[in-house]
Amino acid sequence: AQSVTQPDARVTVSEGASLQLRCKYSYSGTPYLFWYVQYPRQGLQLLLKYYSGDPVVQGVNGFEAEFIKSNSSFHLRKASVHWSDSAVYFCAVSPAYSNYQLIWGSGTKLIIKP
Amino acid sequence: DMKVTQMPRYLIKRMGENVLLECGQDMSHETMYWYRQDPGLGLQLIYISYDVDSNSEGDIPKGYRVSRKKREHFSLILDSAKTNQTSVYFCASSLSGADTEVFFGKGTRLTVV
Repeated sequence: AQSVTQPDARVTVSEGASLQLRCKYSYSGTPYLFWYVQYPRQGLQLLLKYYSGDPVVQGVNGFEAEFIKSNSSFHLRKASVHWSDSAVYFCAVSPAYSNYQLIWGSGTKLIIKP
Repeated sequence: DMKVTQMPRYLIKRMGENVLLECGQDMSHETMYWYRQDPGLGLQLIYISYDVDSNSEGDIPKGYRVSRKKREHFSLILDSAKTNQTSVYFCASSLSGADTEVFFGKGTRLTVV
């Protein structure tokens, strides 16, 4: 069965430090891959997406993610976090030729320490 | 202005009452979704709609039904609400296609007492 795993429910980093949020998926082909962010009391917003080409994809606000096919991973990174990055981050997968139903990870809450 | 609007934002209902959650989008998106979000569970798809009167069950449709009579509106109905339907409900929309961005509303926090 297809699935998305975000192993870290909560990640705490200091402001200015680098960040990596982990995401692994289970799917036999190459799916469309997404990272969404949810700020407090808001809906989700797209950070970045990947399907093909350069395995490192750039997103908004300095975020990037790297697709590693051999590891079925799509980890999110940022070189230097800001307090405003505090949010919940969701990884999602959409199998190609699917019926548009995204498969969601359970989310990682990012806490920024001053 | 690309927007998904949900009404109401907060709602308290008694067990057994009927609940109507409404959603609108101004992007002419064919596909619309209803999700619920519970702590630690991420997003669970309740229903997906591919266009007017073209609705399909998601992962957790039991206890819910939907209505889509216009492309821009998608309603979620809870007939005889239960306490375990207390949750945050998100409506979303997108163009057709597995690679498209999904746009979310701000959610409706429903409490069933």
